[in-house]
Amino acid sequence: DSGVTQTPKHLITATGQRVTLRCSPRSGDLSVYWYQQSLDQGLQFLIQYYNGEERAKGNILERFSAQQFPDLHSELNLSSLELGDSALYFCASSVGGRRTGELFFGEGSRLTVL
Amino acid sequence: AQSVTQLDSQVPVFEEAPVELRCNYSSSVSVYLFWYVQYPNQGLQLLLKYLSGSTLVKGINGFEAEFNKSQTSFHLRKPSVHISDTAEYFCAVSDTGANNLFFGTGTRLTVIP
Repeated sequence: DSGVTQTPKHLITATGQRVTLRCSPRSGDLSVYWYQQSLDQGLQFLIQYYNGEERAKGNILERFSAQQFPDLHSELNLSSLELGDSALYFCASSVGGRRTGELFFGEGSRLTVL
Repeated sequence: AQSVTQLDSQVPVFEEAPVELRCNYSSSVSVYLFWYVQYPNQGLQLLLKYLSGSTLVKGINGFEAEFNKSQTSFHLRKPSVHISDTAEYFCAVSDTGANNLFFGTGTRLTVIP
């Protein structure tokens, strides 16, 4: 158990819909990262938050947005969903804002868009 | 920017045999290197990391990796694998400013009894 909690574990929805994925980092970790894992793209970095503020941005689509709340949990919002958005979405956390150390990953949220 | 190439998408190996999973990186600046493992239906967990110092890095579960700057490689090795090592292995690189972490496409290690 990494200490990172993601909900829901599985989600099935239709094209055009909007979903929200939730992540609770390990106790004491200030940074939260979101990654997308798909068969054709591999593991892609989406976005990082540190103590409530956006720290780094990767290959995140404009239809996607995220935020980190004062209690440090984070939400990833995916809107106008397309078939290609079907993937496993991972949240990870770390103590600091720089990735010199270990990232702790949750078990992921599997999104299926039909 | 940095990038990582994992040359083998799948590696089957018999139990108790040695294994090497290959990783090459590309970067114009100094890097940090990582190997993560993903067991079925689980998230990724860190196996080992190279930040500086000795180029031979030892990790959990008997794995080790060697940083070779001239060959821009960071291959993962284990002298004798177990069934429980069956998993997906990801090599990752970041610049020393740690502004981003790039993952390779992964190598699926299958240990055959």
